[in-house]
Amino acid sequence: EADIYQIPRYLVIGTGKKITLECSQTMGHDKMYWYQQDPGMELHLIHYSYGVNSTEKGDLSSESTVSRIRTEHFPLTLESARPSHTSQYLCASQSAYGYTFGSGTRLTVV
Amino acid sequence: QQQVKQSPQSLIVQKGGISIINCAYENTAFDYFPWYQQFPGKGPALLIAIRPDVSEKKEGRFTISFNKSAKQFSLHIMDSQPGDSATYFCAASMRGNTPLVFGKGTRLSVIA
Repeated sequence: EADIYQIPRYLVIGTGKKITLECSQTMGHDKMYWYQQDPGMELHLIHYSYGVNSTEKGDLSSESTVSRIRTEHFPLTLESARPSHTSQYLCASQSAYGYTFGSGTRLTVV
Repeated sequence: QQQVKQSPQSLIVQKGGISIINCAYENTAFDYFPWYQQFPGKGPALLIAIRPDVSEKKEGRFTISFNKSAKQFSLHIMDSQPGDSATYFCAASMRGNTPLVFGKGTRLSVIA
């Protein structure tokens, strides 16, 4: 079964802190995505990558950055967390059969 | 500008009934139309998908109907069950390196 892992599952952090949300997949997929989603609401694409050293910004303006140094790893970094960043962050990878999503990281910035 | 418009926003259906969720698109270059199902606390999961060379695709109780001329596609859930209660997202994409465009989602509640 295809697996995509997101760490941590839940995170509470203070305003101004730098955080990195981890996303890893074991399927060797080149295409990976980060989405921001308030619970049960619309999915907003914030970053995507089509392979190593390839990253693009999505539709949602976000004060975050991503890197793709290895195929299996696609971390998302917030340099300075703000309460407006409180949300769920979903990572996905893509195969010929569609997207596989992780279970998400629920981020709360206090 | 929203490229995929999904309706309704929420839906309540009696157990055993038919749930119908509709999506419309503008971009005629779209050629892949998946539906995703999301349960609380989980990421969306691919449910069923269709390409525009067919008008209907059925997998178990789930059916996609596709109308190319109207630029619309819909998800039908037959014999809806409480376990089908979830948020459903339609999506569309083009060939090549472009991300999926998602609808805003429909929250389905199936009540006994």
